[in-house]
Amino acid sequence: DAGITQSPRHKVTETGTPVTLRCHQTENHRYMYWYRQDPGHGLRLIHYSYGVKDTDKGEVSDGYSVSRSKTEDFLLTLESATSSQTSVYFCAISGTSGDTQYFGPGTRLTVL
Amino acid sequence: KQEVTQIPAALSVPEGENLVLNCSFTDSAIYNLQWFRQDPGKGLTSLLLIQSSQREQTSGRLNASLDKSSGRSTLYIAASQPGDSATYLCAVRSGGGADGLTFGKGTHLIIQP
Repeated sequence: DAGITQSPRHKVTETGTPVTLRCHQTENHRYMYWYRQDPGHGLRLIHYSYGVKDTDKGEVSDGYSVSRSKTEDFLLTLESATSSQTSVYFCAISGTSGDTQYFGPGTRLTVL
Repeated sequence: KQEVTQIPAALSVPEGENLVLNCSFTDSAIYNLQWFRQDPGKGLTSLLLIQSSQREQTSGRLNASLDKSSGRSTLYIAASQPGDSATYLCAVRSGGGADGLTFGKGTHLIIQP
């Protein structure tokens, strides 16, 4: 299995609070991605990174920001969480843009 | 905008049968296509990756084909086993940039012992 961890694995928070999710990899892969998975919508891309400090928006980026200060860490921040951001969040990595993407175990986030 | 559709949404078959899962995509200008399986409450496990220049890939009892011009891929599972029960997801990467995958909603597969 690819060395990807996500923290926390579960989180319950209240509307309006800031939340940061962390993805950590030990594979030294250049590309990192954040997806969310919701019933009826499948997995959708939130943001991605193609190198340290290089990030771009995905399909559902509103309300989210990301940062990548080191190759191994990719942070996803919800500045002010809303109930519509209740979801399962997955991080993925790949060595090159055309390579297989490997997924982390996911973080289940509930916003009350 | 790329859209990915998987048919059927759910499938239940007896153990030992060969089966085919279907995936279609609206924009044929893809870079590659990937098949995953997801067990309940778990992450995604990559099964097969097909580059746009390839027609098929095989791994054990799994065979995935790609017809880019018609916007279709199939995942063939031979001699199905109860352990194959999972949701199977198809995803495409469009264009040549670093942007991520567009996923279908999956086929929920149950193999009856």
